[in-house]
Amino acid sequence: DIQMTQSPSAMSASVGDRVTITCRASQGINNFLAWFQQKPGKVPKRLIYASSSLQSGVPSRFSGSGSGTEFTLTISSLQPEDIATYYCLQHNSYPFTFGGGTKVEIK
Amino acid sequence: QGQLVQSGAEVKKPGASVKVSCKLSGYSLSEISRHWVRQAPGKGFDWMGGFDPVDGQTIYAQKFRGRISMTEDTTTNTAFMELSSLTSEDTAVYFCIAGMGRTWGQGTLVTVFS
Repeated sequence: DIQMTQSPSAMSASVGDRVTITCRASQGINNFLAWFQQKPGKVPKRLIYASSSLQSGVPSRFSGSGSGTEFTLTISSLQPEDIATYYCLQHNSYPFTFGGGTKVEIK
Repeated sequence: QGQLVQSGAEVKKPGASVKVSCKLSGYSLSEISRHWVRQAPGKGFDWMGGFDPVDGQTIYAQKFRGRISMTEDTTTNTAFMELSSLTSEDTAVYFCIAGMGRTWGQGTLVTVFS
């Protein structure tokens, strides 16, 4: 199974800060990686697909990059409404696997 | 934009089975990838299994093999996930997702306790 190691597991940043979250795959997954945002008590929402494609309707401050084994989700300017837990998902090979999540809070 | 509507919360005793439904709107069962994932309280996500329309195969995660079944009813455009031999470890919110996470159902809480 491909392990997805997501870091950090939690972080605190100020409004306007640049936030970077990383997912490392235990083996290459091409660009079959998606990023999701889950607010407390809510259904997850896909932000990024195919590693770097922005889901329609998602603010442009969100971006994704990477290929192979290392991937990054960046929030260019953190907003109060971005408080959530973020997850990556690899769907290159079965079983699909999620990262452990990154909880983002406002400092 | 498609939509997935799941069945309501369930409470089950250990050893029982649960069948969760997921009605698709705006998508065809045979044309969209669809998967089931679950989230235990306060935890991350477990992928349980999925259907790939490219090869028509349904694949289950090893940890659920033998007690999971994913089926469908094309007349109502509804997908089903049945999990048997439930234990308290299966208490979780179960989600159907389509298009590799583009669309999520609202989730179905399954509680297993005696």
